[in-house]
Amino acid sequence: AQKITQTQPGMFVQEKEAVTLDCTYDTSDPSYGLFWYKQPSSGEMIFLIYQGSYDQQNATEGRYSLNFQKARKSANLVISASQLGDSAMYFCAMRPSGGYQKVTFGTGTKLQVIP
Amino acid sequence: DAGVTQSPTHLIKTRGQQVTLRCSPKSGHDTVSWYQQALGQGPQFIFQYYEEEERQRGNFPDRFSGHQFPNYSSELNVNALLLGDSALYLCASSLPTGPGTFGSGTRLTVV
Repeated sequence: AQKITQTQPGMFVQEKEAVTLDCTYDTSDPSYGLFWYKQPSSGEMIFLIYQGSYDQQNATEGRYSLNFQKARKSANLVISASQLGDSAMYFCAMRPSGGYQKVTFGTGTKLQVIP
Repeated sequence: DAGVTQSPTHLIKTRGQQVTLRCSPKSGHDTVSWYQQALGQGPQFIFQYYEEEERQRGNFPDRFSGHQFPNYSSELNVNALLLGDSALYLCASSLPTGPGTFGSGTRLTVV
């Protein structure tokens, strides 16, 4: 079984500052992928970044980077230079590698960017 | 290039009724997954369809069923609706091993 834990129900960050959203996971699968999604109030889940469990380097996508610490089973999302449009719910998720595998989501963190 | 399209956007049903939700995947995607997201919670995986067959299923009762058509579009059916079925239902399309592209969801309210 897989489990994703996001311990920060809500976070505030000043505009233009960096923020880290925490995510820890538990799985018995030897190979897996970790994802972060953004969900604005409109409801649509927007894919942000992906990290494979065997990737040697931490993933980066523009202002998003994933701080992957495999031994600690953590996959924190770092958003640099926060913008007002970053205010949303953020979900960490994971899936075992290989096809047809279900994705497990955490409970999310609500990020609010303050001008 | 259209993304994932879900219909309807909102729906109100009475307890005990049946409902059908629809999803058109992003162009080029052949796999469709459905999720239930209760208020204040993360999405919960319902099932995944590929080549018109259910490939994976989450912990949902048989009241939840689905179908995938030859054009890759999909339907989610829920029978004997309960108040607890009220939620945002999200559809995601992908290639079998890729990250999902989500639609905006169908908000179902059961009264």
